[in-house]
Amino acid sequence: GIQVEQSPPDLILQEGANSTLRCNFSDSVNNLQWFHQNPWGQLINLFYIPSGTKQNGRLSATTVATERYSLLYISSSQTTDSGVYFCAADDRGSTLGRLYFGRGTQLTVWP
Amino acid sequence: NAGVTQTPKFQVLKTGQSMTLQCAQDMNHEYMSWYRQDPGMGLRLIHYSVGAGITDQGEVPNGYNVSRSTTEDFPLRLLSAAPSQTSVYFCASTPGGGTYGYTFGSGTRLTVV
Repeated sequence: GIQVEQSPPDLILQEGANSTLRCNFSDSVNNLQWFHQNPWGQLINLFYIPSGTKQNGRLSATTVATERYSLLYISSSQTTDSGVYFCAADDRGSTLGRLYFGRGTQLTVWP
Repeated sequence: NAGVTQTPKFQVLKTGQSMTLQCAQDMNHEYMSWYRQDPGMGLRLIHYSVGAGITDQGEVPNGYNVSRSTTEDFPLRLLSAAPSQTSVYFCASTPGGGTYGYTFGSGTRLTVV
């Protein structure tokens, strides 16, 4: 399987601040995704982004597949952004359905 | 509501007991998978399925069995529960084809005493 590494492991912000979360992966991926796990444990799919850039409101993501990394940008953070952000990927050429997760970035946003 | 439904939400087992975690999806997704989440470890793949009648092992399959008799259902069976299986379990589905994201269930928190 592939290796997925996330940084930073923890991030503490004041409301209104911007942040960048990084995901490095070890081999070619087929299905790079970002998830948010809220304080209640629910996993929400934020972006399916094998390459390029996508934006959804205050969140955007960029994947540079040739350099094996992806970035998640959070602008004007709010307390509701708190939780754990996971990056996950499926290895290219394998049978789809096997996501490999990073260990996550724990984000805390203070009012 | 369309999505992935997991039952039960919470369960306490004694060591050696067996049980089945249920997972059902109503989106006609071909691919389904089970993950466990332990503190500081992220999610790790237990078993996955690419269609009815087809399953395969993931990263941490020992102590778990699965079957996929229908497209909708993908139950996870613990054969003889051990304290090391205390975890939060998530089921997920995706349409397949490499162009869509995954939908996760709300999880089952299992404690083995």
